[in-house]
Amino acid sequence: NAGVTQTPKFQVLKTGQSMTLQCAQDMNHNSMYWYRQDPGMGLRLIYYSASEGTTDKGEVPNGYNVSRLNKREFSLRLESAAPSQTSVYFCASRNRGERELFFGEGSRLTVL
Amino acid sequence: AQSVSQHNHHVILSEAASLELGCNYSYGGTVNLFWYVQYPGQHLQLLLKYFSGDPLVKGIKGFEAEFIKSKFSFNLRKPSVQWSDTAEYFCALRGNSGYALNFGKGTSLLVTP
Repeated sequence: NAGVTQTPKFQVLKTGQSMTLQCAQDMNHNSMYWYRQDPGMGLRLIYYSASEGTTDKGEVPNGYNVSRLNKREFSLRLESAAPSQTSVYFCASRNRGERELFFGEGSRLTVL
Repeated sequence: AQSVSQHNHHVILSEAASLELGCNYSYGGTVNLFWYVQYPGQHLQLLLKYFSGDPLVKGIKGFEAEFIKSKFSFNLRKPSVQWSDTAEYFCALRGNSGYALNFGKGTSLLVTP
């Protein structure tokens, strides 16, 4: 059972480059989330998708876009990467009626 | 607005010592509370959760937490820590109208042999 799968696991970008982080879940969950984790800051919500076809901003959405491609997949795009976006990104999902989140293994992004 | 505050950012304990990590939250309505653990290099895993009922909840690996509504607290405890408990611990809150979890800033626990 794969759960929540994120790709890539590691990425180095130069300032101004773009990239997309991919997330897929095989648990048939309705809601999906993107968080970033920074030392001393905990996890902060970037965007979430309560259900297929909907997306909403979280606490720190600036500089990011998301796409809920279908029920399984929720991608996070950096159009023009900045050093401040150096972070570990976690995707998570949750089933309707459940309250806990299931996390992927994270994607470590470095922007030079 | 809802928020979570974890008081201890770094904790160092010797094996067999008792552990208590503080978590306070701010929210006026019904809450769901969680403790997640992140072992070095791994993703977050659920330790335990509180939704309703008995305010003392037991989780995996001998951890427990007590919900004290009057103090807006949900402290994590373990009577005797092991070296393998070295990890980062996050308290999280979901309000009754929220879709996502609000996380505290985390507590880094180092258990020395």
